[in-house]
Order: sequence, then C-alpha cells, then structure tokens
Amino acid sequence: DARVTQTPRHKVTEMGQEVTMRCQPILGHNTVFWYRQTMMQGLELLAYFRNRAPLDDSGMPKDRFSAEMPDATLATLKIQPSEPRDSAVYFCASGLVQGDRGQPQHFGDGTRLSIL
Amino acid sequence: AQSVTQLGSHVSVSEGALVLLRCNYSSSVPPYLFWYVQYPNQGLQLLLKYTTGATLVKGINGFEAEFKKSETSFHLTKPSAHMSDAAEYFCAVSEGYGGSQGNLIFGKGTKLSVKP
Repeated sequence: DARVTQTPRHKVTEMGQEVTMRCQPILGHNTVFWYRQTMMQGLELLAYFRNRAPLDDSGMPKDRFSAEMPDATLATLKIQPSEPRDSAVYFCASGLVQGDRGQPQHFGDGTRLSIL
Repeated sequence: AQSVTQLGSHVSVSEGALVLLRCNYSSSVPPYLFWYVQYPNQGLQLLLKYTTGATLVKGINGFEAEFKKSETSFHLTKPSAHMSDAAEYFCAVSEGYGGSQGNLIFGKGTKLSVKP
C-alpha cells in the first residue's frame, strides 16, 4: 500500500533551534496538508498545497513557521526559532482533489516534536 | 460553513458490547462525511466515508455509519467491541468547493476504551 512518509518520527531540541520536518506524499496526489495535534487544541490545519502551490497557510504562525514544496515528492515544514509551545505532533497528509470532495486524505505517522 | 460536533470525548464499553460514537455536522453544501481512527503513536486512518448513494456505509474492522440528513448525524457503530478497537475516533466533513475543496473539518475526537 502507498503511504505518506514523514521524517523524523521524533525530534527533541532546545528552544531557539531550527526544526525541519519532511513529508513524502503519495505519488499522484496533488494536495498536501500539514496538521498539528495537541491535547488542548486537537487537530489543527496549518497549511496546504495544491499542485505544489500554497493555497492557505492561515493556520500557521507566520513569524516562525514556513512551509514549502520544493518538488512533487517533498513537502517541508520549518520552525525557526522554535519555542516550547510548538511541542506537538505534526502530521502530513496527502490527497487527490479533482472536482470530487469525496477523496479521503491519507495521513503519515507524524513527527513528535518536543522543544525544551 | 461546515462544522462537526462529536458528543462525548471519552466512551467506555465492555468487550462484546455495542459501540456507538456520535457525530453531528453542519454543512452549507451536501455533506461528504468521514470517520477516521487513530491508534497510539500513529496517524489517522480512514475507517469509512459517505459521499452519495446508500446512507448506511460499511467500513473496515466491522464498523459502519449511517447518514441521517434529517438529524444531521453520522454516528459510528460496531455491534461487538473488541479490545483492539481501543483508539481515538474522528468524524470529519469535507469542505465545499473552490480552493478549499477536499479540506476536512475534523471533530475533536472521541477516545474509545474497551474493558475486558
């Protein structure tokens, strides 16, 4: 089965450090989503791309977060500088959106981020 | 605008008992509805989806859900709980059209515990 692959699975770093999370979407999917999951807020949509173009990043703190898709096989989410409140599990998901709202999103296993 | 409400953040059942997880939605367009399951330290996995047609939808692991337009509900059921069903379950509705097509609005999740 095709899977969304996220790296690293776990990341522990100190406040102020740059963090980069990577995602390889399923081949052929045209939409990539970044989510953040915490106990308090649940699942939050941070940003998403369609055909590699950013469509909406209104869920991200703009001053420290950035998301890119350098090519169709790689999406990145960066935090610089990181803060303890960024500690969460970050999920990438991909899907095929072509005039049909019924296509499901496929999730990776997440990056568990701890900022000390 | 679309929204999802999951009634009960925690549900506990005995092994072999009926599982009922409640989901109500609000949508300005004909809804496409999804249930996802999340096991510990994993991403979300699609259980089932409703798009059009038959209102009783069968999914994986013996789960099913019924779309009831008059009640704006999409409750998830399983006749007999198994220990392996212990997980968190998310109901989601697909956003409408245009750029946000294919985005999912998630409920806050229901944690299912199964007692021996």
